[in-house]
Amino acid sequence: KAGVTQTPRYLIKTRGQQVTLSCSPISGHRSVSWYQQTPGQGLQFLFEYFSETQRNKGNFPGRFSGRQFSNSRSEMNVSTLELGDSALYLCASSPTGLAGEETQYFGPGTRLLVL
Amino acid sequence: QKEVEQNSGPLSVPEGAIASLNCTYSDRGSQSFFWYRQYSGKSPELIMSIYSNGDKEDGRFTAQLNKASQYVSLLIRDSQPSDSATYLCAVNSPPNFGNEKLTFGTGTRLTIIP
Repeated sequence: KAGVTQTPRYLIKTRGQQVTLSCSPISGHRSVSWYQQTPGQGLQFLFEYFSETQRNKGNFPGRFSGRQFSNSRSEMNVSTLELGDSALYLCASSPTGLAGEETQYFGPGTRLLVL
Repeated sequence: QKEVEQNSGPLSVPEGAIASLNCTYSDRGSQSFFWYRQYSGKSPELIMSIYSNGDKEDGRFTAQLNKASQYVSLLIRDSQPSDSATYLCAVNSPPNFGNEKLTFGTGTRLTIIP
């Protein structure tokens, strides 16, 4: 079974631009969660989508948004990029989401550098 | 107080010894606890999960949970150089009006010295 895939793997943008990242979950998984990882803050939860609906949200500004399609693929968008948005963005998929005793499987991540 | 706290390390352990990694959490209602391993430049991978008080063993790994003390630990026996990585503790906050989420600690960097 193929794992979680993320595209692109690397991205360089300038301040003020916007960016869209893509995540394809493991086949059959309906929950996709997004995380931001930085050396100082560690791994921080952005949001979780299940059946095309945002079900959970972390403490990030509205510049961070996402969506999920009917095939469970998810996109994350960051508008008006700031230098502090430079990070590794990880998505993780699981069958039904964070509830219960499920394992989350992480993708390889998209490394975003904002100049 | 951070929701999930770990000693950032680095923690250096001789090959063959026991590595002990610790994690405390603030939400007394948390129910599920996970240990992830992350090699440099790679994504996290789950190595242990624990849901009830006591010990859970899987090969060289043992997870320990003490809900009264809000403490979870990971022991790695017979440490190998391949165990050198950052270990992330994650806690599943309880469902509360749809705000359930997985909270990670900042990780402990472990180095096994040959």
